[in-house]
Amino acid sequence: ILNVEQSPQSLHVQEGDSTNFTCSFPSSNFYALHWYRWETAKSPEALFVMTLNGDEKKKGRISATLNTKEGYSYLYIKGSQPEDSATYLCAFGGSNYKLTFGKGTLLTVNP
Amino acid sequence: DVKVTQSSRYLVKRTGEKVFLECVQDMDHENMFWYRQDPGLGLRLIYFSYDVKMKEKGDIPEGYSVSREKKERFSLILESASTNQTSMYLCASRTQGSSYGYTFGSGTRLTVV
Repeated sequence: ILNVEQSPQSLHVQEGDSTNFTCSFPSSNFYALHWYRWETAKSPEALFVMTLNGDEKKKGRISATLNTKEGYSYLYIKGSQPEDSATYLCAFGGSNYKLTFGKGTLLTVNP
Repeated sequence: DVKVTQSSRYLVKRTGEKVFLECVQDMDHENMFWYRQDPGLGLRLIYFSYDVKMKEKGDIPEGYSVSREKKERFSLILESASTNQTSMYLCASRTQGSSYGYTFGSGTRLTVV
């Protein structure tokens, strides 16, 4: 079973703070790295899919970077808002089909 | 919007029962997946199917089987439910290709008593 590690496990920030989380994954047999946001009582929602070393993706105040050679990805949230509160999951694609998920980072943004 | 529909949101079954969890997607996706989510363990892959009638074991297939007779439907079967199969079950689908994200269903919380 592949090891996909996310840190921190949980994070509390104040509204307006910027924050970032880390995902580390195997640096061999890389196909893709995914980020998902999972709000309570909803389905996980895809944020980014990154496939190339050095990829940077942005969606509003959220962005992500990818380093496949050293096996890590960062997710950044600029100016956190209470509606950003969710669990953020990363997932490593080591083949063309399936993903291995990390355990997630639970973000709580206090108003 | 792509929709992945899981037949039940909450389910309570007795130990030893045969349980069927159904998942239907409406966007002609080739790949479908079943995960379970447990506190502290994250999402773990049970089975996946890359096309109709094709299936592959994931990381924790023991005690489960699957069926994919039609492209839009992927069923997870608990042959003889046990209490350690109490969990949240999530179905997902996507277009073939590693650069595509998953679309998830809303989950089925199964309790085995």
